[in-house]
Amino acid sequence: DAKTTQPPSMDCAEGRAANLPCNHSTISGNEYVYWYRQIHSQGPQYIIHGLKNNETNEMASLIITEDRKSSTLILPHATLRDTAVYYCIVPNNFGNEKLTFGTGTRLTIIP
Amino acid sequence: GAVVSQHPSRVICKSGTSVKIECRSLDFQATTMFWYRQFPKQSLMLMATSNEGSKATYEQGVEKDKFLINHASLTLSTLTVTSAHPEDSSFYICSACQGNSGETQYFGPGTRLLVL
Repeated sequence: DAKTTQPPSMDCAEGRAANLPCNHSTISGNEYVYWYRQIHSQGPQYIIHGLKNNETNEMASLIITEDRKSSTLILPHATLRDTAVYYCIVPNNFGNEKLTFGTGTRLTIIP
Repeated sequence: GAVVSQHPSRVICKSGTSVKIECRSLDFQATTMFWYRQFPKQSLMLMATSNEGSKATYEQGVEKDKFLINHASLTLSTLTVTSAHPEDSSFYICSACQGNSGETQYFGPGTRLLVL
């Protein structure tokens, strides 16, 4: 898997937008960027993924830079339930979907 | 859609016994299922990849005779921890995806195993 780098922790005020950065400078042209989050003592939850274009769904938006070397996950209106560890993952493109989880970003939403 | 369940959610067993954990895809057929393990304050570590109807592929350092995986149908995979020891106490999480290539993985809620 392409290596990703994320800040270890971030705080965000409740109701504000949470912007979580991820660097993936070794990403290949046809590798996707996936975001998952893990709330304490639960299994990871899929959030969003993208290749080149920005993506938006009911949970979040994903902004990928033009050179694809970094991306930002945006939670538009953070709530206390968004407190979790967020993982940015670039699976290898060999068709076996293996996910390598790094240490992620621990996002804490402050009331 | 894309719901994955696990059973049991938590289990306590005595050292030397075997424990079976089930992983089910509830609303889709899972060609591939994965088993992960997570120790306290650590990230998820992939243990094995399971394809329906074939033998599982284990990651380096994971004993296939200790962690038996069966993926007999497109909606069910089981992980059996044989002769469990206290060091096997962990959070076991499965995931499932629909296709063979480039499909999103959906995770189960996890099973917390405590071996006394």
